[in-house]
Amino acid sequence: AQKITQTQPGMFVQEKEAVTLDCTYDTSDPSYGLFWYKQPSSGEMIFLIYQGSYDQQNATEGRYSLNFQKARKSANLVISASQLGDSAMYFCAMRDWEYGNKLVFGTGTILRVKS
Amino acid sequence: DAGVIQSPRHEVTEMGQEVTLRCKPISGHNSLFWYRQTMMRGLELLIYFNNNVPIDDSGMPEDRFSAKMPNASFSTLKIQPSEPRDSAVYFCASSPGNEQFFGPGTRLTVL
Repeated sequence: AQKITQTQPGMFVQEKEAVTLDCTYDTSDPSYGLFWYKQPSSGEMIFLIYQGSYDQQNATEGRYSLNFQKARKSANLVISASQLGDSAMYFCAMRDWEYGNKLVFGTGTILRVKS
Repeated sequence: DAGVIQSPRHEVTEMGQEVTLRCKPISGHNSLFWYRQTMMRGLELLIYFNNNVPIDDSGMPEDRFSAKMPNASFSTLKIQPSEPRDSAVYFCASSPGNEQFFGPGTRLTVL
């Protein structure tokens, strides 16, 4: 079964608007972590935000927030006030003990910010 | 602070040659990971180390691949002999616990 699912291959957003990138996950482990990474065209992988399964509040880091809905097993990334520099590939990832504490990545969503 | 350092950044080699990729993790991080990224297979974990000890190498594709971590500040990924299908971007990442911080990657092309 797919551990991490990102159903949006590509998204467009107008500069200064907010955008939500979807991520659903599958695990039977009660203890897990969810991550979002950004990969711009230059190729590096940039850590954005982390949410632990026991965290009571949704994680936020600047313009990034993670909409964590545990019952739905979703961990959507919200980018507020989009900037041209946000254009990149975005990966959702999960770590759980069932998979030996490894990070398992989704297939990614390409985001394009329009001016 | 320096991030994860990888070398070389680009490597072009011929089929059959040995390739060695190098990684210096962030100081103080006790876990190190090697990933491979291709268009077809996305990001795949090859192997990871905890406190210099290999914990899981189930992602290593074949015996041609080997990885070492002789100390806390250095790791290598070796491919011998290399094949065209090994062409990919190889990332090293280190972690103090939860988050993993990636290096810039090595783009390997095997002709």
